[in-house]
Amino acid sequence: DAGVTQSPTHLIKTRGQQVTLRCSPKSGHDTVSWYQQALGQGPQFIFQYYEEEERQRGNFPDRFSGHQFPNYSSELNVNALLLGDSALYLCASSLALAWGFNEQFFGPGTRLTVL
Amino acid sequence: AQSVTQLDSQVPVFEEAPVELRCNYSSSVSVYLFWYVQYPNQGLQLLLKYLSGSTLVKGINGFEAEFNKSQTSFHLRKPSVHISDTAEYFCAVILEGAAGNKLTFGGGTRVLVKP
Repeated sequence: DAGVTQSPTHLIKTRGQQVTLRCSPKSGHDTVSWYQQALGQGPQFIFQYYEEEERQRGNFPDRFSGHQFPNYSSELNVNALLLGDSALYLCASSLALAWGFNEQFFGPGTRLTVL
Repeated sequence: AQSVTQLDSQVPVFEEAPVELRCNYSSSVSVYLFWYVQYPNQGLQLLLKYLSGSTLVKGINGFEAEFNKSQTSFHLRKPSVHISDTAEYFCAVILEGAAGNKLTFGGGTRVLVKP
């Protein structure tokens, strides 16, 4: 059973460009969350997708957008890249339950460098 | 809004010595508490979690943590570390009952185990 997978592993872009990162959730999971981890810091929640809709959003500008597909995979798009967008982007998947705690499983991340 | 503080950014420790990583949180409502480990160039792996019940929680790889509600702390301990425990450790919280289970992380503690 494959866990959470992310692509690409590494990416280098220049300021002002746009980037798309991809995530495939763990088998059986229907919810995908994205986190940004800047160097030397803890991950910060960007947003979460469930049933192809953004369910929750953290404190990130509209340059950050996402999408979830019918097969539950997800994309994170960042427009007009800034140097400060350089970070490890982590995807986490979980199974939405009507009640209780849903453990999130993390992928290995995509390392984005903006020059 | 909830926040998580990890009081030590780096903890050097000798092999087979004990280690304690400190975590304090602030929240106006009850929270679920977690410790994650991140090995170099990898995603996050759940070490242990506190949802309810016994305040002493045992996790994988010999780690344990104790929830102290009055001190709003959730310190992580291991009685004897191995070289392989060299990694970054993150404390995180989720607001109890919150939809989507958004994780809020601390800044991380880097553990360096020396031979």
